Amino acid sequence: ETGVTQSPTHLIKTRGQQVTLRCSSQSGHNTVSWYQQALGQGPQFIFQYYREEENGRGNFPPRFSGLQFPNYSSELNVNALELDDSALYLCASSLAVGELFFGEGSRLTVL
Amino acid sequence: QKEVEQDPGPLSVPEGAIVSLNCTYSNSAFQYFMWYRQYSRKGPELLMYTYSSGNKEDGRFTAQVDKSSKYISLFIRDSQPSDSATYLCAMTLTTDSWGKFQFGAGTQVVVTP
Repeated sequence: ETGVTQSPTHLIKTRGQQVTLRCSSQSGHNTVSWYQQALGQGPQFIFQYYREEENGRGNFPPRFSGLQFPNYSSELNVNALELDDSALYLCASSLAVGELFFGEGSRLTVL
Repeated sequence: QKEVEQDPGPLSVPEGAIVSLNCTYSNSAFQYFMWYRQYSRKGPELLMYTYSSGNKEDGRFTAQVDKSSKYISLFIRDSQPSDSATYLCAMTLTTDSWGKFQFGAGTQVVVTP
């Protein structure tokens, strides 16, 4: 167990809907990185939050947005869902330049 | 062309054999190289981390980085059925980009008893 918990574990949405995924980081970790992992692919970096501020973003459109809270937990929001958004969404917490600890992910299916 | 290329496998080996995995990359500025193991329906977990070129050994695992060839390898000695998983390579430029990793697609490994 990494101490990183994600919710929900599975969810099904339809095209055009919005979704919020949550991540509770390991105790004391101030950095959360979010990744999208499509079936059969490696994780792709979406964005990172450090002390409640966005600290870098990958090649994802603005309809992917996030938040980090004072307790360092984080949310990933996706608006106007598309079929290609179907994937496993992973969050990883770390202390600045330290080992990333991944959660088990939230599996999103868009119909 | 992807920045990080990795053969998806599956790679099937008998128990006790050496597993050899590799990744190639196109960005010569990458300096930090990681190998992750991902079991089915789980998140990735860090196996090995290497800075710049060279070899690193940890138990049954050896990681090699050849920056001149833009090629990294992971070897697993005395493989066990519990090593059956997907192995992902990852890399990043500097500590400023820590956590913003480029991953390969992963190689599925099956170790048969």
